[in-house]
Parts: sequence; structure tokens; C-alpha cells
Amino acid sequence: AQSVTQLDSQVPVFEEAPVELRCNYSSSVSVYLFWYVQYPNQGLQLLLKYLSGSTLVKGINGFEAEFNKSQTSFHLRKPSVHISDTAEYFCAALGGYNKLIFGAGTRLAVHP
Amino acid sequence: GAVVSQHPSRVICKSGTSVKIECRSLDFQATTMFWYRQFPKQSLMLMATSNEGSKATYEQGVEKDKFLINHASLTLSTLTVTSAHPEDSSFYICSARVSGGTGGLEAFFGQGTRLTVV
Repeated sequence: AQSVTQLDSQVPVFEEAPVELRCNYSSSVSVYLFWYVQYPNQGLQLLLKYLSGSTLVKGINGFEAEFNKSQTSFHLRKPSVHISDTAEYFCAALGGYNKLIFGAGTRLAVHP
Repeated sequence: GAVVSQHPSRVICKSGTSVKIECRSLDFQATTMFWYRQFPKQSLMLMATSNEGSKATYEQGVEKDKFLINHASLTLSTLTVTSAHPEDSSFYICSARVSGGTGGLEAFFGQGTRLTVV
């Protein structure tokens, strides 16, 4: 079955600390992978995407992600988080019929 | 990036009435638009795929007569919740893809509509 798994439902972290949000995808989905951020009562904003090429992808707001084919992972990282990074983060993959398959989401809570 | 505008952002309606939500691609043409529903603290659930000029394709378990989707042009898709009931209260989000090329792999999302049925 096509699936995207986000291993952590919540990640608390202190401001200026590094963070990693984990994402694994099933081998049955494509390797077109995305990370989106959602602030309260808003739609989704694209942070970064992997379509092909370099496995290290840099996105907006200082985020980056690494595509690892052997581990079927696409973890999101930021070396130093800010209070304003508090939000819900969704990992997604392009599945059959070009539909996006979303993970359950990870709530990043940055504390002062 | 491309902009998708969703309107209204918030709507309250009485039980039994219908509500229309609009989704517009402002600076690109979108052959395909998607409608999602999101429950509190949950991920997005795809409701239907909307293709310009043809009938929408609904996901299993989504009532097509309750959630009417129209995609009349390359920049506009609408979702009408008919005879709304309190259990239809939710956050509805649309997304659109740029037509053609590798740009078609990336989806752009509207701001979402918070529907409350009283």
C-alpha cells in the first residue's frame, strides 16, 4: 500500500536548538517528495521538494531535507529553530494518479 | 510561487442550507484541482479530484451529491456543500497544479475555509 509515515506526532524543542522531523515513505509511492508547513487556520505552504538530482534539498526558512533511497526516508532538518517555526509539518509523496499522499503530520513546538 | 486563492476563509451557516467555496489559481492555469477535508489535529483527507471541463472524481466514501464540485474554467473550481449538517463542519482546503511539464508535480494550496454549521 502507498503510505507516508511521520514517526513523531509531536516534537518539542527549545529555541535555537536543532531539530529533525522524520518521514519514511513506502517503496510503492514515487520518489517525488515534499514537505509542507501549516500554520493555524491556514493552508499548506511548500517548504521544499525532491524531484531528482542532489539528495540534499534546501528549502525556505532555513529548512533542508535529505532523500535517502536505501532507507526510504526524507527527514526534515533545521540547525537552529525559532519560535515562529512552531507549526504543523506534513511530509507528502506523489502517489498513483498524481495524488499527494500525506503523512499524519508532526506538531513542532518551539519553546523559549 | 504560484498563488491559489480560496474564498471564503470562514463561513457559518445554518443546518440545511448550502455553502459554496471557491478556489482560484491567480497566476497560472490549473487543469487539475484537488479538494481536501481536514479534521482537528489530523492530516488532510482527499475528497475529490477536479478536472477542468469534466466530472470530478470522488474518493471512496465521499458523497458526490452532498459535495458538489464544479471546475468550469482553468482557474476556478468550486465546492458546494449541500444541505449542510453540523457533522460537515470542518476545514476545507483546495490545491491546484500547474498544467504541464515538471511544474505539474508541485501542488499549491489555498488558505483553507473553516466551515461551521449551526
